[in-house]
Amino acid sequence: QKEVEQDPGPLSVPEGAIVSLNCTYSNSAFQYFMWYRQYSRKGPELLMYTYSSGNKEDGRFTAQVDKSSKYISLFIRDSQPSDSATYLCAMRKTSYDKVIFGPGTSLSVIP
Amino acid sequence: SAVISQKPSRDICQRGTSLTIQCQVDSQVTMMFWYRQQPGQSLTLIATANQGSEATYESGFVIDKFPISRPNLTFSTLTVSNMSPEDSSIYLCSVEKAGEYNEQFFGPGTRLTVL
Repeated sequence: QKEVEQDPGPLSVPEGAIVSLNCTYSNSAFQYFMWYRQYSRKGPELLMYTYSSGNKEDGRFTAQVDKSSKYISLFIRDSQPSDSATYLCAMRKTSYDKVIFGPGTSLSVIP
Repeated sequence: SAVISQKPSRDICQRGTSLTIQCQVDSQVTMMFWYRQQPGQSLTLIATANQGSEATYESGFVIDKFPISRPNLTFSTLTVSNMSPEDSSIYLCSVEKAGEYNEQFFGPGTRLTVL
């Protein structure tokens, strides 16, 4: 079993839809959780960074962590074509530990 | 955040040759990393580039194949040596900004194709 798993997609949604992107993980020691967005032929861009369980909101993006289920989610409200990218979840045990990345989910938002 | 540049952005190389990738960041950072990203796969950490000392390599990566330099707090190089087609990948430089979360930021990547 891989440490971090994501549905690779591709996920295709109409503009304006609510998008839910998810990751599961196996190591209960992970406490820091991140979401990166990667456009084609670009480096990953940090979107959200959360610690432990709970929700964090930033504009149209909401990150949710459920440590009891070892499950994290990224919600995108009012999705736009500019949101079309690959979304990588990532996590680490401490703020000094190695970051472990999921394989990414490819998202297309259709105008 | 941090502004990170990499050179070259892409290259096509012959088997058996070596390529050096440069990474420059716009401010001093303690931690710099090199990752590899193969199509459809997770980012894989190659090594941590330590300023003034030898890099720390992850399991499966060795200094002879991926020598790394870090002469100062804003610059690092990764060399991919004696290349084979299996080395075709995207190579990414990353830096960590000290703070509450020690966030990691990435450069644009170097797309390498080995023929």
